[in-house]
Amino acid sequence: DAKTTQPTSMDCAEGRAANLPCNHSTISGNEYVYWYRQIHSQGPQYIIHGLKNNETNEMASLIITEDRKSSTLILPHATLRDTAVYYCIVRGVTTNAGKSTFGDGTTLTVKP
Amino acid sequence: DTEVTQTPKHLVMGMTNKKSLKCEQHMGHRAMYWYKQKAKKPPELMFVYSYEKLSINESVPSRFSPECPNSSLLNLHLHALQPEDSALYLCASSQPPGPSRNTQYFGPGTRLTVL
Repeated sequence: DAKTTQPTSMDCAEGRAANLPCNHSTISGNEYVYWYRQIHSQGPQYIIHGLKNNETNEMASLIITEDRKSSTLILPHATLRDTAVYYCIVRGVTTNAGKSTFGDGTTLTVKP
Repeated sequence: DTEVTQTPKHLVMGMTNKKSLKCEQHMGHRAMYWYKQKAKKPPELMFVYSYEKLSINESVPSRFSPECPNSSLLNLHLHALQPEDSALYLCASSQPPGPSRNTQYFGPGTRLTVL
């Protein structure tokens, strides 16, 4: 599975959009980009995933560059409850696709 | 329903004890996972079961013994653990690997302390 690189930490003002970048320059053609978040001492929560098209759901939007080497998770109106560690993961679709590595993630702090 | 449950929430055990962690899901998923997470670190994959068969063991010490009695249940049997094994143990489940089927849903975890 491709390795991902994320900034260690980011701040965002409450009510503003939070844009979290992820670099996955070694991604393969059949690998998906997944985003999870983990609020302190809870289990990781699935947010969104995509292959090459931009995706949107009730939680967030995922923008994947045309060359697929990077992506951005967008929380459109951040709230204090969005303070968490956000993980970007690249995961394939082969037999061992269940095997994927969490990077160090980005600690997002939403401030009043 | 995207719920994965884990019991117990907290566990304190001595190095000579034998204990088990339990995980359950009713989403019809056929792949289940154990992860270990140390403080301020990302989760690390330990084991993967696919269709109730162990498919991945990430070189985990034998003092950790996984078991998948059926498609809804996953156990992690603990024996002769060390204090450095203290961590948050996370269970997850997903559909078996395949296109757009690898979304893993995580339980809340068991906080394990080894004395």
